[in-house]
Amino acid sequence: EAGVAQSPRYKIIEKRQSVAFWCNPISGHATLYWYQQILGQGPKLLIQFQNNGVVDDSQLPKDRFSAERLKGVDSTLKIQPAKLEDSAVYLCASSFRDKNTEAFFGQGTRLTVV
Amino acid sequence: ELKVEQNPLFLSMQEEKNYTIYCNYSTTSDRLYWYRQDPGKSLESLFVLLSNGAVKQEGRLMASLDTKARLSTLHITAAVHDLSATYFCAVEGSRLTFGEGTQLTVNP
Repeated sequence: EAGVAQSPRYKIIEKRQSVAFWCNPISGHATLYWYQQILGQGPKLLIQFQNNGVVDDSQLPKDRFSAERLKGVDSTLKIQPAKLEDSAVYLCASSFRDKNTEAFFGQGTRLTVV
Repeated sequence: ELKVEQNPLFLSMQEEKNYTIYCNYSTTSDRLYWYRQDPGKSLESLFVLLSNGAVKQEGRLMASLDTKARLSTLHITAAVHDLSATYFCAVEGSRLTFGEGTQLTVNP
């Protein structure tokens, strides 16, 4: 079974630039998550989708971050404009449904904002 | 809001000795996960604990859950070098909330 695919693996941008990350979840998984993991910390949920609807985006900085999951499969996370403090690994995960099922994580995208 | 705390945050272990990592959480939950993360890698699921008193073992690792005490432990038996990694517990509430992680280093 293919895992969660993310791209790119690494990205370096200057502050105030924009960036986008892409995620393809495990086939058949209805729930998709984007997490932010700052160096030395545990992952923090940014947004959770159930199919193509948003379930939880309470921790998403909506003034600069946006995410979509068109057609309930792939998802993109965008940051515009980026700040230095956005430097982190962005992890995508998926699960079969939103509760009581295990989440599987992708390799992540390491973002460095300079 | 659910808070998850792990301790210790750093653990330097000697080979062949036993150690325990603790995971405390602040609100009721009956579902807890342990993940392993190697440097520069993603999260690998180790255990899913579903109910009070649940115990799971895989190799030198054993995890347990006490929902009444809101405590999970990850016990390492006879540490070996390939266990060096960062270990996270995560608790399912309104969202999956992670602890800060415990960075394990096994020294010869």
